[in-house]
Amino acid sequence: DTAVSQTPKYLVTQMGNDKSIKCEQNLGHDTMYWYKQDSKKFLKIMFSYNNKELIINETVPNRFSPKSPDKAHLNLHINSLELGDSAVYFCASSHRTRQFFGPGTRLTVL
Amino acid sequence: GENVEQHPSTLSVQEGDSAVIKCTYSDSASNYFPWYKQELGKGPQLIIDIRSNVGEKKDQRIAVTLNKTAKHFSLHITETQPEDSAVYFCAASPPNFGNEKLTFGTGTRLTIIP
Repeated sequence: DTAVSQTPKYLVTQMGNDKSIKCEQNLGHDTMYWYKQDSKKFLKIMFSYNNKELIINETVPNRFSPKSPDKAHLNLHINSLELGDSAVYFCASSHRTRQFFGPGTRLTVL
Repeated sequence: GENVEQHPSTLSVQEGDSAVIKCTYSDSASNYFPWYKQELGKGPQLIIDIRSNVGEKKDQRIAVTLNKTAKHFSLHITETQPEDSAVYFCAASPPNFGNEKLTFGTGTRLTIIP
């Protein structure tokens, strides 16, 4: 009965690889987000989608590409991974302002 | 864009005492101010929020106050318990028809001393 779920929970990979993180919400929310939390715990929005349409796109490198196959899913694909991409990535969803976060995916780039 | 400052960065209080965390924001258009609690290895959990048409909101041991003129808001936790130990984040957002862009503070690590 998890509201916002993400897979995988941990992701360890080499520099230069391509990886994806999946997110699903069963709350019936219209808007979904990706956030990045760095090693100092700072949380910053990357993208948001509303009904499969991109709404917010912060200054994120083109190597990051979100994809929303339907309004319950928002996946994050990252090309050519770099050391600086190591972080915890959170998916969130919202309905009328309140945002609810998933458990996070800890990405480690070696 | 919005800028949110949060203080203190760390806070230790004796169990049973109160804890106060303060945030200031820069964008006078911001009208939504949530607080999140993040436990180790978990995602941020919404614990309370307030909108700019309200000055104070309370939910059991947790309360939030908002001063729009001064552009600051605070989280108050009374009768603290060990399970209150976590990192707390404030955030602010201008209105955007349900697609609000939250700007987060830098977090406060709260430790409750038994």
